[in-house]
Amino acid sequence: TAGITQAPTSQILAAGRSMTLRCTQDMRHNAMYWYRQDLGLGLRLIHYSNTAGTTGKGEVPDGYSVSRANTDDFPLTLASAVPSQTSVYFCASSEEPNQPQHFGDGTRLSIL
Amino acid sequence: GQNIDQPTEMTATEGAIVQINCTYQTSGFNGLFWYQQHAGEAPTFLSYNVLDGLEEKGRFSSFLSRSKGYSYLLLKELQMKDSASYLCAVRDGDYKLSFGAGTTVTVRA
Repeated sequence: TAGITQAPTSQILAAGRSMTLRCTQDMRHNAMYWYRQDLGLGLRLIHYSNTAGTTGKGEVPDGYSVSRANTDDFPLTLASAVPSQTSVYFCASSEEPNQPQHFGDGTRLSIL
Repeated sequence: GQNIDQPTEMTATEGAIVQINCTYQTSGFNGLFWYQQHAGEAPTFLSYNVLDGLEEKGRFSSFLSRSKGYSYLLLKELQMKDSASYLCAVRDGDYKLSFGAGTTVTVRA
């Protein structure tokens, strides 16, 4: 099925370890996004990329990094995980930045 | 920054109508989106308003007043499958989306 694929589906990680969340889309969308969703806070933008080769910081970028080497892939890296990064992470894409965003199924990450 | 407010919870009866309000204060405005999110699933796009007025799409309608910083999502002929969280999101001048915390709608038989 075409769309956005996120991996892993869920992960338990020890604090201090590094982790890369993968996101791949096959819709040839130019823009991609990473959000975290926490109870009572809604979705918050971590990083975004309006086109391959460019990235930008969202509302909560600290502790996270991204890269956009090509159109399809937009990995999110936690260099040294902390318990406050326990969350559900959603990757999204849109054809252009001014178009509706389509979301992946999410990665549930627990940092212990 | 952005400030987006919507009620936390609403309950309605199957077949009824429910209106979910959203108020916002943003630095720049480039449209307002509504998303539906079932528990444990990804958000899915419902509607988009960039000009004032009502946009109708089947049982769902969305209204926008830019001067009042106000939108609502109207769900008609409620069905059990409409039980979900509804997210209001505003796109700012840099085309980034800011989301409200979501409104959980429970439909009862």
